[in-house]
Amino acid sequence: AQTVTQSQPEMSVQEAETVTLSCTYDTSESNYYLFWYKQPPSRQMILVIRQEAYKQQNATENRFSVNFQKAAKSFSLKISDSQLGDTAMYFCAFIAWTSGSRLTFGEGTQLTVNP
Amino acid sequence: EAGVVQSPRYKIIEKKQPVAFWCNPISGHNTLYWYLQNLGQGPELLIRYENEEAVDDSQLPKDRFSAERLKGVDSTLKIQPAELGDSAVYLCASSLSGGIGVDTQYFGPGTRLTVL
Repeated sequence: AQTVTQSQPEMSVQEAETVTLSCTYDTSESNYYLFWYKQPPSRQMILVIRQEAYKQQNATENRFSVNFQKAAKSFSLKISDSQLGDTAMYFCAFIAWTSGSRLTFGEGTQLTVNP
Repeated sequence: EAGVVQSPRYKIIEKKQPVAFWCNPISGHNTLYWYLQNLGQGPELLIRYENEEAVDDSQLPKDRFSAERLKGVDSTLKIQPAELGDSAVYLCASSLSGGIGVDTQYFGPGTRLTVL
């Protein structure tokens, strides 16, 4: 069974600054995907970024980038130039590359961007 | 392109009453998921459909929960009878396919259920 742990229940950052959200996971699988989803107060879960475990290069999407450390089973999200609209709950999620596997979410980190 | 549509957005019922949630996935997405999200927690899978077939329903409390996806498109999740502990957000998601390999899951806005 896979587990995903987000050790920071809440974080805050000033607008325009950089913040890093932590995520660790535990699995015996060798092929898998990792995701960061954002859930604003409207509740719509929005994909922020995804990383294939077989790729060594860290994924980047505009202001969002990840630091994927496969050996350490760590998958942190860095948000640069934070904006007020980044305020949301952020979930780290894991899914193995096998048919029938399920998406496992962490507990979430509530990020608040302050003006 | 329209996203995943869910209705209603909010539902308040008294315990022991039945309730149903509806989901229409993104056009062309064969795989549909229902998740339960308790307050302050990440979503947990209830059931996964590939077309009309429920391929993973091991987490669905079958004594009171049921789901269907008759034509392989939209889906309904039902609770009968509802209990106080069922108060939560019910999320629907869809992806292109659920076979080997991984397609990104896209989520709907969810239905917030309150059981009084």
